[in-house]
Amino acid sequence: GQNIDQPTEMTATEGAIVQINCTYQTSGFNGLFWYQQHAGEAPTFLSYNVLDGLEEKGRFSSFLSRSKGYSYLLLKELQMKDSASYLCAVMDSNYQLIWGAGTKLIIKP
Amino acid sequence: IAGITQAPTSQILAAGRRMTLRCTQDMRHNAMYWYRQDLGLGLRLIHYSNTAGTTGKGEVPDGYSVSRANTDDFPLTLASAVPSQTSVYFCASSDGTSGGDNEQFFGPGTRLTVL
Repeated sequence: GQNIDQPTEMTATEGAIVQINCTYQTSGFNGLFWYQQHAGEAPTFLSYNVLDGLEEKGRFSSFLSRSKGYSYLLLKELQMKDSASYLCAVMDSNYQLIWGAGTKLIIKP
Repeated sequence: IAGITQAPTSQILAAGRRMTLRCTQDMRHNAMYWYRQDLGLGLRLIHYSNTAGTTGKGEVPDGYSVSRANTDDFPLTLASAVPSQTSVYFCASSDGTSGGDNEQFFGPGTRLTVL
């Protein structure tokens, strides 16, 4: 079967760095997406990786290793507004997105 | 309007009733999707449409139907609602259906409770 694993919840301190991991087992791979979802709101796109390596976008970076079925989202200089759920999704061989359950990130002052 | 709109925002429905959730996008995106989101589970695809006039089944299509008569609208119908369909429903759209073009834009969601 297809499976996306992420930690359920993480806690970090304002101003710090946090890494959210995602491992996957899917039928085919056509890219990996990270989305941010604030409570009660819709998911919004953060990043897309299809090749191995690190993609940097401001305070957020996303890494992919296709051979290991592994990705992480790195958030630097954490702000209180970064408190949200972070969703990992993999595009399978049918170009459908398979979603993880999300990681709830709690930022403390 | 800009982006994707969904209606209603929330709804309480008696079991056995028929309900249509509306979704409209103004981005001229080819592909549209319906997901449900339940606590502790990832978003699950119900139905999708890669282009106007075509639809496909996702992971959890039973009890739901869709139509795509034009580019902008993608309604989701529950023919006879059951309590297990209580969920938050998100409509999404994307310009393409592969690779980076599959960045999906989401509507604000409809919170549905079936009693």
